[in-house]
Amino acid sequence: GEDVEQSLFLSVREGDSSVINCTYTDSSSTYLYWYKQEPGAGLQLLTYIFSNMDMKQDQRLTVLLNKKDKHLSLRIADTQTGDSAIYFCASNDMRFGAGTRLTVKP
Amino acid sequence: DAGVIQSPRHEVTEMGQEVTLRCKPISGHDYLFWYRQTMMRGLELLIYFNNNVPIDDSGMPEDRFSAKMPNASFSTLKIQPSEPRDSAVYFCASADPMRPHNEQFFGPGTRLTVL
Repeated sequence: GEDVEQSLFLSVREGDSSVINCTYTDSSSTYLYWYKQEPGAGLQLLTYIFSNMDMKQDQRLTVLLNKKDKHLSLRIADTQTGDSAIYFCASNDMRFGAGTRLTVKP
Repeated sequence: DAGVIQSPRHEVTEMGQEVTLRCKPISGHDYLFWYRQTMMRGLELLIYFNNNVPIDDSGMPEDRFSAKMPNASFSTLKIQPSEPRDSAVYFCASADPMRPHNEQFFGPGTRLTVL
């Protein structure tokens, strides 16, 4: 099975919250990451969380980590059309999920 | 630093031809990764190097694919012979394991179309 799994598509309306979920298998991962890929570009690190944390908040972004279930989520508050992109979850062993394509409808 | 540099940005070729993709990592980064991205399969890790040595090539689809890293500042991904199903965007990324959170830096990608 895959090391990091996430659903491929998410569609929300502008102003709503978006929640992107991810499960991983590397229990020794020190960090877990969210990368963002805008159309026609490479991936860029969006945020990360240290494995001894449960939550990290950065402006509109909230990362939640459940180590017991090996579940990571990214919440984007007040989602804007500019947030439309592909979001990748990654574990510390340098493995990426397949990416979740977020579409924000006006 | 200019970031990770990939060339060409776009490549169109015919089935059966050899294709060579190039990557220059960020200076000082010990890790280099090759990924392939398609709509159907998302982002897939093909191979990665540490200090120019291939560490894990289990993602390389088949013998038609090969990757080399002759020195710390250059890597190639070769497809010979190419097939239409190889059409994808190929990304190179590099990382410095001494950074506190192991961030990977991605190049802009090479969009490959095999006719």
